[in-house]
Amino acid sequence: AQSVTQLDSQVPVFEEAPVELRCNYSSSVSVYLFWYVQYPNQGLQLLLKYLSGSTLVKGINGFEAEFNKSQTSFHLRKPSVHISDTAEYFCAVSVGYGNKLVFGAGTILRVKS
Amino acid sequence: DVKVTQSSRYLVKRTGEKVFLECVQDMDHENMFWYRQDPGLGLRLIYFSYDVKMKEKGDIPEGYSVSREKKERFSLILESASTNQTSMYLCASILRGALSGNTIYFGEGSWLTVV
Repeated sequence: AQSVTQLDSQVPVFEEAPVELRCNYSSSVSVYLFWYVQYPNQGLQLLLKYLSGSTLVKGINGFEAEFNKSQTSFHLRKPSVHISDTAEYFCAVSVGYGNKLVFGAGTILRVKS
Repeated sequence: DVKVTQSSRYLVKRTGEKVFLECVQDMDHENMFWYRQDPGLGLRLIYFSYDVKMKEKGDIPEGYSVSREKKERFSLILESASTNQTSMYLCASILRGALSGNTIYFGEGSWLTVV
C-alpha cells in the first residue's frame, strides 16, 4: 500500500527566513503528488501538484516543490516566509483507480516575528 | 467554480445516535470521498464512491456506512455514534479521467462532537 511520510510534525521559523517541509512517499507505481494547506478553521486549499513533466513545480503564494523520483521525495520550499503562512501543510499522493488521495500526517508551520 | 457543500459545519450528537453527514457537489463529478481528519494523523479515507450506488471501503470504514443515490450527493452515516468518532469530516469530489487534471475539490468540513 502507498504511504506518505511527513518528516516534521512542526516547523518553527522566523519571518523572512527560508523554509523546507519534507515529504517522502512509498509507491511501486507512478504517482501524482500534491501539497495542500489548511489555515485555522478552514478547509483544504491546493498549493501545487506534480502530474508529469518538469520536476520543479511552482504553486501559489510563492511555494514550490521538487519531485525526486530516485529519493521518492516531494519537498515543499519557500525562500522567504510570512506570518500569514502559518498553517498546517499536507503532502498527498494519488494512487490507483478513482484518484484516491493518501495523505501524510501534516506539518504545522509556525512563523514567528 | 466547483462547489462541494457540506450541509452541517458543526454538530453535537449523543453516544448511540444515528448521524447523517451530507455532501453535495455541483460539477457532475463521478468520484466522491469521505475523509476524517485528526491531529497528528492527517486525513484518512473512510469510504469513496465512483458512481451512483457504488461504494468502496477506504482505510477506516469501521463504524461508518455511506449512501450515493444521486450523482451529486454522497452521505456518510454513523449508525451508532461513539465518542471516538469525534472528529472533523471532509467530503471531496473529482472528475474521473484525464480531464480532471487530478484536481480534487474539498468541502469546508463538518466538525462532529459526540458526547
